[in-house]
Amino acid sequence: SYELTQPPSVPVSPGHTARITCSGDALPKKYVFWYQQKSGQAPVLVIYDDNKRPSGIPERFSGSSSGTMATLTISGAQVDDEADYYCYSADTSGKRVFGTGTKVTVL
Amino acid sequence: EVQLVESGGDLVKPGGSLRLSCAASGFIFSNALMNWVRQAPGKGLEWVGRIKPRSEGETTDYAAPVTGRFTISRDDSNNTLFLQLNNLKPEDTGLYYCVTGVLILDGAWITDYWGQGTLVAVSS
Repeated sequence: SYELTQPPSVPVSPGHTARITCSGDALPKKYVFWYQQKSGQAPVLVIYDDNKRPSGIPERFSGSSSGTMATLTISGAQVDDEADYYCYSADTSGKRVFGTGTKVTVL
Repeated sequence: EVQLVESGGDLVKPGGSLRLSCAASGFIFSNALMNWVRQAPGKGLEWVGRIKPRSEGETTDYAAPVTGRFTISRDDSNNTLFLQLNNLKPEDTGLYYCVTGVLILDGAWITDYWGQGTLVAVSS
């Protein structure tokens, strides 16, 4: 089955930049979404269609995609950004899939 | 204000069935693509399936692990989404979320919406 691979963890110091990657063979032809999930809460959409920010999401969140890899960048990370992050896309048949998830630790 | 309220989760034995519901409000439900997503305890997110709006034929898609066992349907007259779960297995245990597709509200507010989830536990 199709998989989207993410690094298990990404540490970042406050005020610095965190980059989370998502790798998948179908990414050149499929949009990528990114979700933030804090402990005990429902996920929140932070990027859709590769690089668009939903309403209410801070500008420090940005997305890009090139070839088989998509990247979520958190510029000037804040303690409040500590969470699990998941990419979300589709395989070549259109079935949706979530990435393996990345824990971002801000310290 | 958009609200999604799931219900119907329960403890069931392997091989059993459940029907989950998601009551929607605050947007035009009949025009919306709707998804079910689940999360096993301490694990990542897993897409379960989706249903398109009537204007797109109400077509459904399912993840491989649930194909043939789960069925998604919708009642646009009552703004409700359903997930029928049959032949349940222990690995189906988790929190089941109802999720909209990306919505554009009031012409400018763009995002998707998640409910708080309903818990399904499959155990003998």
